[in-house]
Amino acid sequence: GQSLEQPSEVTAVEGAIVQINCTYQTSGFYGLSWYQQHDGGAPTFLSYNGLDGLEETGRFSSFLSRSDSYGYLLLQELQMKDSASYFCAVRARNSGNTPLVFGKGTRLSVIA
Amino acid sequence: DGGITQSPKYLFRKEGQNVTLSCEQNLNHDAMYWYRQDPGQGLRLIYYSQIVNDFQKGDIAEGYSVSREKKESFPLTVTSAQKNPTAFYLCASSIGQNNEKLFFGSGTQLSVL
Repeated sequence: GQSLEQPSEVTAVEGAIVQINCTYQTSGFYGLSWYQQHDGGAPTFLSYNGLDGLEETGRFSSFLSRSDSYGYLLLQELQMKDSASYFCAVRARNSGNTPLVFGKGTRLSVIA
Repeated sequence: DGGITQSPKYLFRKEGQNVTLSCEQNLNHDAMYWYRQDPGQGLRLIYYSQIVNDFQKGDIAEGYSVSREKKESFPLTVTSAQKNPTAFYLCASSIGQNNEKLFFGSGTQLSVL
């Protein structure tokens, strides 16, 4: 099975940079995904790392290191609207097709 | 606009009652999923369907049932056997069965009277 660990809460100042870590235990997986969810809303896809390294999309970047069983989401130039929960997710590389398994999420609070 | 529509947004269930949550998508996606979210928790998979007339149990399928008679629709029934149904239910779809990018509906909050 898969197990993903994320910090439950993170607080950061508007305009700053914050890193949300995700460590995982899984025998094999395709890649690491990140989703954002505002309170009461639907999760939305942010990024996917199929290979090791850094993927950048505007203010958001995501990193994966398979050898370290570790990934992170980096948010730069934080804005108040970035206050949300962030989930990492993996899809196991088993025989057959497997859906995404999500971590418990990290609640980010951006303060002035 | 294409997307996923869940209804109702809020639903109340009485003891011993079955209730059905609707999920419709017009994205022409093959795969559809139901996740349950409890406060402060991640998303746990209830059921998923990779193709019409086929579906598989997820991690917490007990007390739930689904059908996939049409590509566009994947309703979830919360049966009386589900003793703790209060949660936020999210429906999602993806282009294919091996796709990391899920599109989610806006969710249904189910509460027990």
